[in-house]
Amino acid sequence: DAKTTQPNSMESNEEEPVHLPCNHSTISGTDYIHWYRQLPSQGPEYVIHGLTSNVNNRMASLAIAEDRKSSTLILHRATLRDAAVYYCILRGGASAGGTSYGKLTFGQGTILTVHP
Amino acid sequence: EPEVTQTPSHQVTQMGQEVILRCVPISNHLYFYWYRQILGQKVEFLVSFYNNEISEKSEIFDDQFSVERPDGSNFTLKIRSTKLEDSAMYFCASTERGYPTADTQYFGPGTRLTVL
Repeated sequence: DAKTTQPNSMESNEEEPVHLPCNHSTISGTDYIHWYRQLPSQGPEYVIHGLTSNVNNRMASLAIAEDRKSSTLILHRATLRDAAVYYCILRGGASAGGTSYGKLTFGQGTILTVHP
Repeated sequence: EPEVTQTPSHQVTQMGQEVILRCVPISNHLYFYWYRQILGQKVEFLVSFYNNEISEKSEIFDDQFSVERPDGSNFTLKIRSTKLEDSAMYFCASTERGYPTADTQYFGPGTRLTVL
């Protein structure tokens, strides 16, 4: 699977927006960009995904660069419950060899700390 | 909202013993996965399963590991002879469809396996 690069950690204050960056310069044309998060002592949880266009859902927004070599997960108003490890994962497409059967390859992710 | 469940939440075993970790995926899902996370480390893919057979497995998934879908609802991971290094959180996940879609993987809460 294509590699992603994320900062090890970020901090935010409650009620403020958070922009979590991810670099994926070797992304292939058919790779989807997925974001998952893992709250303390829980299993990973889907946040959002996109291919080329920016995406919004009830949890977050995903801004994808025009060349698709980077993306940013946006939490519009961070809450204490958003404190988690956030993972940017590329999935599917030629970079996975065409036969990945959908496995997720997790990196170290970004540890987000939210201050009250 | 449908969810993946796992039992037990915590399993303690002696080295060399067999353990079976159980998962109930979301009912209409067809693709199943096991991941593990050693304390302080990243989430690692173990195996994917579809149509009653293994689709893909990682290097970690050696002959000591096996998976089974014994009935229409359960999905199990068996470790035949546990080692100290098998101590980890084990997460089950499922998706409705598999590659090459961008389907969301739904994760269970995990089973903490402690090998003494």
